[in-house]
Amino acid sequence: EAGVAQSPRYKIIEKRQSVAFWCNPISGHATLYWYQQILGQGPKLLIQFQNNGVVDDSQLPKDRFSAERLKGVDSTLKIQPAKLEDSAVYLCASSSTSGTQYFGPGTRLTVL
Amino acid sequence: QKEVEQDPGPLSVPEGAIVSLNCTYSNSAFQYFMWYRQYSRKGPELLMYTYSSGNKEDGRFTAQVDKSSKYISLFIRDSQPSDSATYLCAMSATGNQFYFGTGTSLTVIP
Repeated sequence: EAGVAQSPRYKIIEKRQSVAFWCNPISGHATLYWYQQILGQGPKLLIQFQNNGVVDDSQLPKDRFSAERLKGVDSTLKIQPAKLEDSAVYLCASSSTSGTQYFGPGTRLTVL
Repeated sequence: QKEVEQDPGPLSVPEGAIVSLNCTYSNSAFQYFMWYRQYSRKGPELLMYTYSSGNKEDGRFTAQVDKSSKYISLFIRDSQPSDSATYLCAMSATGNQFYFGTGTSLTVIP
């Protein structure tokens, strides 16, 4: 079974630029999560999708972050414009009805 | 107060030692508890998933949940250098939104 795929793996941008991350969940997993993991901290949930609907986006900074999951499969997370404090690893995870979350390798973002 | 508290370490032990990793939490509604292992520059990997209180064993790993004390533990027996990683606890009230600890960095010295 293929795992959660994410791209790119690394991204370096300057502040005020835009960036987008892509996630392909495990086939058949209805729930998809985006997390932000700052160095030395645990993952923080940004947004949770159930199929193509948003379940929880209470911690998503909506003035600069957006996410979508068209057709209930792949998802993209966008930051526009980026700030220095957005430097982190962005993790995508997916789960089936069991609730067990499987994580992708993450995208490491550096904002200069 | 954070939802989940976890000592960041770092923790360094000799090969073969028993390792104890712990988390405390404040929300008494939490009933789903997970332990993840995260190697450097990799995504978290699920180790143990426990529902409600009690113990769960899987090979060299044992997870314990004490809901009365709001305290969970992960024990690693006969620790190996390959166990060197960051260990994250995570918990949820509903089985959906999980709150993560900050992670404990473990190094097992050969």
